[in-house]
Amino acid sequence: GENVEQHPSTLSVQEGDSAVIKCTYSDSASNYFPWYKQELGKGPQLIIDIRSNVGEKKDQRIAVTLNKTAKHFSLHITETQPEDSAVYFCAARTLGSSNTGKLIFGQGTTLQVKP
Amino acid sequence: DAGVIQSPRHEVTEMGQEVTLRCKPISGHDYLFWYRQTMMRGLELLIYFNNNVPIDDSGMPEDRFSAKMPNASFSTLKIQPSEPRDSAVYFCASSLSLSNQPQHFGDGTRLSIL
Repeated sequence: GENVEQHPSTLSVQEGDSAVIKCTYSDSASNYFPWYKQELGKGPQLIIDIRSNVGEKKDQRIAVTLNKTAKHFSLHITETQPEDSAVYFCAARTLGSSNTGKLIFGQGTTLQVKP
Repeated sequence: DAGVIQSPRHEVTEMGQEVTLRCKPISGHDYLFWYRQTMMRGLELLIYFNNNVPIDDSGMPEDRFSAKMPNASFSTLKIQPSEPRDSAVYFCASSLSLSNQPQHFGDGTRLSIL
């Protein structure tokens, strides 16, 4: 089945710097890759997603890139702000052989943005 | 529009007791998912429904866990009997479709089994 690895597990940056979180996946049939932000005491909230027919997507300070050949995708946050501090999860979805379409999550990255 | 609503937000109970977690998905969403989040195992899918029918329950850990969706606006996850290792945050999520549509999560139920 699908396996998603996420790195780093923790990331500390200075306000204004960029942050990059990377994920790799194992199933080449995966076709949808969302990123979620989880704040303390809250559920994961979708911040950006990318589909397998696109190599890059940008939304203001957030961008995601996808390399299907290498089976990895990355989240880029520019001009970080203290309110960006949270846990970020990547995920991959494949229709798979059983066609169930599960979302498989990475282990999460705790991002700390220091003022 | 209201998001996914879960109740209770917190539950503390003694082992052996029955626990029922509740979820109201976003109106119009055909898919409903139950997840469990722990430090050791991260976010795990337990079960999901399509149009109120369970599609994949392979993530349900044991027979002590059961889930139902009696109608399009309500689902329950039940643990009976509960054990301390069931302590976790349980999330419900819903989506419009399975392919290429995001899942929207509730704020979870933090469950502590003493």
